[in-house]
Amino acid sequence: NAGVMQNPRHLVRRRGQEARLRCSPMKGHSHVYWYRQLPEEGLKFMVYLQKENIIDESGMPKERFSAEFPKEGPSILRIQQVVRGDSAAYFCASSPASETQYFGPGTRLLVL
Amino acid sequence: DAKTTQPPSMDCAEGRAANLPCNHSTISGNEYVYWYRQIHSQGPQYIIHGLKNNETNEMASLIITEDRKSSTLILPHATLRDTAVYYCIVRVAGSNDYKLSFGAGTTVTVRA
Repeated sequence: NAGVMQNPRHLVRRRGQEARLRCSPMKGHSHVYWYRQLPEEGLKFMVYLQKENIIDESGMPKERFSAEFPKEGPSILRIQQVVRGDSAAYFCASSPASETQYFGPGTRLLVL
Repeated sequence: DAKTTQPPSMDCAEGRAANLPCNHSTISGNEYVYWYRQIHSQGPQYIIHGLKNNETNEMASLIITEDRKSSTLILPHATLRDTAVYYCIVRVAGSNDYKLSFGAGTTVTVRA
């Protein structure tokens, strides 16, 4: 049973470009969570989604950030017009319900 | 507003048991104790969780005091690959308490 998959594992963008981070949950998991880890800091919750619904986006910046989890395909975290402060590791987790969350390997975003 | 308190760091000899303490004196009756670890540059890895009974799995054992105000994660035979930051988190399982709060954790260094 494959774990949570994230791609790309590393992403380099120039200021002003868009970043798209993808997350495929574990088989049978319909709940997806995104967390961000800034350099030398702990993980911070960003957003919680179920299929086709955003349940809680209270941890996500109001501007430039968006997330979706379509009926088919992976969950996408989208960052428009990236700035250097967006450089971080972005982790996705999934769970079968509101139970134990299992994390993916993360996407490390570097904004030049 | 941390719900748990952990020592910032600890060393352990390879092959010996590592005992990681966690204080959660304000834990409520329906909150579980979860343990995750994050090996450098990887995503958090779920280890174990429990409510009030001691738990054991292939990775570790979790000992929870009778008053539930503290717990200890035991890695029975630490290896160099167990070097990581270990996080103790309390949450209400199966509920809307899905925002995992990762504090500073305990940096465990296993030495040969």
